[in-house]
Amino acid sequence: DAKTTQPNSMESNEEEPVHLPCNHSTISGTDYIHWYRQLPSQGPEYVIHGLTSNVNNRMASLAIAEDRKSSTLILHRATLRDAAVYYCILRDGNYGQNFVFGPGTRLSVLP
Amino acid sequence: NAGVTQTPKFQVLKTGQSMTLQCAQDMNHEYMSWYRQDPGMGLRLIHYSVGAGITDQGEVPNGYNVSRSTTEDFPLRLLSAAPSQTSVYFCASSYSWRETSTDTQYFGPGTRLTVL
Repeated sequence: DAKTTQPNSMESNEEEPVHLPCNHSTISGTDYIHWYRQLPSQGPEYVIHGLTSNVNNRMASLAIAEDRKSSTLILHRATLRDAAVYYCILRDGNYGQNFVFGPGTRLSVLP
Repeated sequence: NAGVTQTPKFQVLKTGQSMTLQCAQDMNHEYMSWYRQDPGMGLRLIHYSVGAGITDQGEVPNGYNVSRSTTEDFPLRLLSAAPSQTSVYFCASSYSWRETSTDTQYFGPGTRLTVL
């Protein structure tokens, strides 16, 4: 299974941009890169996903390296509500929708 | 839509007791799954289903049973609870299970289980 590596924790000030990195050096050509986040005491929620090109949605942007061995989730203006654990996940080709979660990055947002 | 619902929210069991965690979705999703999350860790897959009547094991299936008699419901049964099963359990669903799918997974709010 392709694995991801993320920093254990990061801090940001409110209303500043946040760049959350993820390394996935063993990614295969058909693996999609998914990001989910888990707010305190809640289930994970979808943030964004991509394959090769950079992606934007109302929540965030996803920047994917040209060799696809790393990616960065960008929150353009962090709010207190963005404090959560962020998971970078590669969709496992053997199990279709069965995601393999790592420990993620705990983002703290300071007022 | 109510999305993915789970009951109960909290449960305390004694070692050896059995119980069923309920999960339901009203989005007509093919795929449903159960994960457990231990403190400070990511989610680990227990069992999953790609449609009514079809289930399979995930990474940590021992001690758990599932069935999928309808599209909407996917209960998780603990046969004989052990303290090692103390965890938060999340149910998830998505529209399609196929490998090429990039469908979003929707997670329930979780059931916090303590086994004494």
